[in-house]
Amino acid sequence: GAVVSQHPSRVICKSGTSVKIECRSLDFQATTMFWYRQFPKKSLMLMATSNEGSKATYEQGVEKDKFLINHASLTLSTLTVTSAHPEDSSFYICSASFPGGLYGYTFGSGTRLTVV
Amino acid sequence: SQQGEEDPQALSIQEGENATMNCSYKTSINNLQWYRQNSGRGLVHLILIRSNEREKHSGRLRVTLDTSKKSSSLLITASRAADTASYFCATGVSYNTDKLIFGTGTRLQVFP
Repeated sequence: GAVVSQHPSRVICKSGTSVKIECRSLDFQATTMFWYRQFPKKSLMLMATSNEGSKATYEQGVEKDKFLINHASLTLSTLTVTSAHPEDSSFYICSASFPGGLYGYTFGSGTRLTVV
Repeated sequence: SQQGEEDPQALSIQEGENATMNCSYKTSINNLQWYRQNSGRGLVHLILIRSNEREKHSGRLRVTLDTSKKSSSLLITASRAADTASYFCATGVSYNTDKLIFGTGTRLQVFP
């Protein structure tokens, strides 16, 4: 089946530093990946759509300079949280659609980011 | 942005009972999907129902879709303690079938 690997699973960083989160499709090619943010006991909020070889499409209200997305290959998308602040602390999850799109989306296991 | 609401927000039942969760959405859709999330983990896809389908079964799961009411329900029969998790509906919106918008979720607790 389709597997999406996301890492790191947890990261703690200092305010002002940048953090990179990787999302890889392990056994299929994903031209499109999605990045979500989830606050405790809340739903997933779509942040952006990552398109291989082109610029990401950001949802309204998401700062593209703050959350840099790179989708340089068909199996890898990265989200970089730049100049992180405590309010960026959250659970970030990526997902990808298996070609054909008939079987739902496969999600990574998520990254818990804590900015201190 | 969130597509819709789920209710109840939280549900507590005993093992063996059935659990029903409802999802309402706002815009026209291409498909509706249900996902499960254990605390602090990623999401696991449970079932997908297309906009031209009304009911779908998968094991102990039964999903209905009423596009006229813009609503869906997920029924888990004969629940088990291991079903304890959060459940989310997500809609694939018609104008961009790749994009999933999530509902607010239902936290299910099944007591042994």
